[in-house]
Amino acid sequence: GDSVTQMEGPVTLSEEAFLTINCTYTATGYPSLFWYVQYPGEGLQLLLKATKADDKGSNKGFEATYRKETTSFHLEKGSVQVSDSAVYFCALSEGGGYQKVTFGTGTKLQVIP
Amino acid sequence: EPEVTQTPSHQVTQMGQEVILRCVPISNHLYFYWYRQILGQKVEFLVSFYNNEISEKSEIFDDQFSVERPDGSNFTLKIRSTKLEDSAMYFCAGRDRGESEKLFFGSGTQLSVL
Repeated sequence: GDSVTQMEGPVTLSEEAFLTINCTYTATGYPSLFWYVQYPGEGLQLLLKATKADDKGSNKGFEATYRKETTSFHLEKGSVQVSDSAVYFCALSEGGGYQKVTFGTGTKLQVIP
Repeated sequence: EPEVTQTPSHQVTQMGQEVILRCVPISNHLYFYWYRQILGQKVEFLVSFYNNEISEKSEIFDDQFSVERPDGSNFTLKIRSTKLEDSAMYFCAGRDRGESEKLFFGSGTQLSVL
């Protein structure tokens, strides 16, 4: 079945450092790929997505590129801020409607001033 | 932005007791889900619900679990006889009619089974 593997955390970075969180996936079809973020005390919320190979999703300075050849969707940000401290989840979905979204374990990011 | 509301935020129960976790989805959503996350593990799919019936369920969602949306508003997850291993954060989520695939999540209910 479908699965998502992402790097274990926690990841601790200084403010303005470069961020990479690795994510690879296994899927039977051609899934859409997502990054969700969970801030303390809140639910998961969509950060960015890409629906086909070579698409780049971006939002709030975060980027991720759908790499079919390496089955990867790594999250990057050039300069992190303290407010980016959260848990980041890589996910995939085989379609809309009632299709489920499959998540990874989440990677906790802590940014220190 | 509209929100998915989950209650309670924390629930403590004794093993073998029944619990009901409640969710109020966004009003125009059509597809509803329950997920759970055991501490340190993946966010796991439990069940999807559409048009007042289960669309898909995982192996976790056995006979001890049930869902319903009795009044067109609340969406509930019932665990009939809780086990220690049911301790987890339970998330409700919803999705609208479109093909955006975006899920809207509640902030979760932390269930602790003692």
